[in-house]
Amino acid sequence: TQLLEQSPQFLSIQEGENLTVYCNSSSVFSSLQWYRQEPGEGPVLLVTVVTGGEVKKLKRLTFQFGDARKDSSLHITAAQPGDTGLYLCAGATNAGNMLTFGGGTRLMVKP
Amino acid sequence: DTEVTQTPKHLVMGMTNKKSLKCEQHMGHRAMYWYKQKAKKPPELMFVYSYEKLSINESVPSRFSPECPNSSLLNLHLHALQPEDSALYLCASSQDPGLSYEQYFGPGTRLTVT
Repeated sequence: TQLLEQSPQFLSIQEGENLTVYCNSSSVFSSLQWYRQEPGEGPVLLVTVVTGGEVKKLKRLTFQFGDARKDSSLHITAAQPGDTGLYLCAGATNAGNMLTFGGGTRLMVKP
Repeated sequence: DTEVTQTPKHLVMGMTNKKSLKCEQHMGHRAMYWYKQKAKKPPELMFVYSYEKLSINESVPSRFSPECPNSSLLNLHLHALQPEDSALYLCASSQDPGLSYEQYFGPGTRLTVT
C-alpha cells in the first residue's frame, strides 16, 4: 500500500507570510499532482510534476518534486486570503489508473 | 476546455429512495472516476471506468451502482442508502486510462441521506 503523508495538516497565517507544505512517501511515484479545493467544490488541478528534481512555478506558488520522486513540496510566497483552501497532493504510478492522495493541508490566510 | 460537469449540485434523499448522480465530460477522456469525500478528508476512490468498462471497484457496497452509457457520461445510481453515506461525491476524468495523472474533477454533488 502506498501512502502519502502531508504536513502540516492545518496552517493559519497572516496575509503576506510565506509557507511550505510537504508531501512525503516511502514509495516512488511516476508523477505527482497538487490540487486546491474550496469548500463544497471539487479539487482543481494546480500542477503536475514528473521529473525528479523538477521545479515548477505558478505565480506565487513554487512546486518541487524530490530527486528520488518520493516527495514534493509546495511553497507559497506572500500568501493572500484567496489562497485559503484545502491543498491536496496526489501521486500516480505506472502500474495503473489510480491516484494516492495525501491527507490534505487546510490553509487559512487571514487579511 | 477542462470542464467536468455534475448534476445535481445538492441532493437530499431518504433511505428508501432511488436517485442518480450524473457526470459529463467532453474532453475526449477515456477514463472516468467516482470518488466519495467526507468533510476534512481527501477523496476516496469508489469506481474507475476505462474505455466505458468498469475496471476498478474499491469494494463499494452494492447500494451504489455505477453506469457508463458512453465515453462522455458517467452515472452513479443510489438505492437504500444509509445516513453515513452522506458526503460530497466527485466525478473525475483523465485522458488515458493507463496513466492516472492529471485527473480533472467536477464540482461534486453534496448528498445528504435522511
